[in-house]
Amino acid sequence: EAQVTQNPRYLITVTGKKLTVTCSQNMNHEYMSWYRQDPGLGLRQIYYSMNVEVTDKGDVPEGYKVSRKEKRNFPLILESPSPNQTSLYFCASSLMTGGQYEQYFGPGTRLTVT
Amino acid sequence: ILNVEQSPQSLHVQEGDSTNFTCSFPSSNFYALHWYRWETAKSPEALFVMTLNGDEKKKGRISATLNTKEGYSYLYIKGSQPEDSATYLCAFDSNYQLIWGAGTKLIIKP
Repeated sequence: EAQVTQNPRYLITVTGKKLTVTCSQNMNHEYMSWYRQDPGLGLRQIYYSMNVEVTDKGDVPEGYKVSRKEKRNFPLILESPSPNQTSLYFCASSLMTGGQYEQYFGPGTRLTVT
Repeated sequence: ILNVEQSPQSLHVQEGDSTNFTCSFPSSNFYALHWYRWETAKSPEALFVMTLNGDEKKKGRISATLNTKEGYSYLYIKGSQPEDSATYLCAFDSNYQLIWGAGTKLIIKP
């Protein structure tokens, strides 16, 4: 089954404790992206990757890191989480970028930082 | 700063009625306009990806139109059903990034 998976689905952590949210897709998609969703706001892009070893900042990259060592995986790293990073996070992938390619979303990770 | 506006923010519609809502986006650097449907406790799913001015797309009772010159797209739902209750998101595709609207939350009243 074609899908994007994220883990964990729910996470409660404390300020400063490094964490990683994994994202994996099995569709051989080139483009992958991380978003955060906060109440009243649209999805905001954190980082995106157009292919292996090619990553770039989105609109809200501060406090996050990513890597793309393999085509299928795109983990999101919070080196020192803070309460303002409490949010719902989505990973998404598409065949390529540049119009016409729909994005496939993972199930979301709800993160709470206390 | 690229901005995508959706209106209304929320909408209550009687079952069986038809409805529509709007997505406004920049008219420059246009590659595509995406519509997604997001049900509570699920993840967004693509409805349409539209690339050409004047595009009209249809999927069952849902359809969308696109005007890239004036920077707007309409989503129409004909004969609303309870299962149409969801948040409808649009996103402006400027090649490398999708810029998302905040969504229109649609609630269908039985």
